[in-house]
Amino acid sequence: NAGVMQNPRHLVRRRGQEARLRCSPMKGHSHVYWYRQLPEEGLKFMVYLQKENIIDESGMPKERFSAEFPKEGPSILRIQQVVRGDSAAYFCASSRENYEQYFGPGTRLTVT
Amino acid sequence: GENVEQHPSTLSVQEGDSAVIKCTYSDSASNYFPWYKQELGKGPQLIIDIRSNVGEKKDQRIAVTLNKTAKHFSLHITETQPEDSAVYFCAARNSGYALNFGKGTSLLVTP
Repeated sequence: NAGVMQNPRHLVRRRGQEARLRCSPMKGHSHVYWYRQLPEEGLKFMVYLQKENIIDESGMPKERFSAEFPKEGPSILRIQQVVRGDSAAYFCASSRENYEQYFGPGTRLTVT
Repeated sequence: GENVEQHPSTLSVQEGDSAVIKCTYSDSASNYFPWYKQELGKGPQLIIDIRSNVGEKKDQRIAVTLNKTAKHFSLHITETQPEDSAVYFCAARNSGYALNFGKGTSLLVTP
């Protein structure tokens, strides 16, 4: 039973480029959450999605960041025109209904 | 919003000793409290959780206690082993969906 999958595991982008992070939830899970982790910090909630719907994006920066969870395929976190401050580990979690959240291995984004 | 404080930030114990990590939360509406273990380069792994209608929960060497009145909860690891070395995060969730995390405790178990 595969867990939450994220790719790529490592991503390097130059300032101004776009970053696309993908997350496939665990089998049977229809709820996806994205969190960001800065060095030496805990995880910060960004957005919560169900299939084709954004339920809560209260933790998402207002500009340059967007997320989707289409009917088919993985959830995608998109960061446009990346800046150095976007360098972080981005984790995706999934759950059934409002149950336990299980995390993927993360995507480590480095902006040069 | 919810604010979760976690102490200590680092903890070193000898193999076989017990380790205790404490967290406090600010939102009295919080009703779900998970603990995660994160090893270097990996994602957080859920190790135990507790809901607000329960005061204590145990799973082998790991236990969690919750004091709703004081708004704090703790993780207890007994008979620690070197493979318990990792960063541990507590979190709290209210009626919403987001987990609010503490800043983590780096646990080192020395042989």
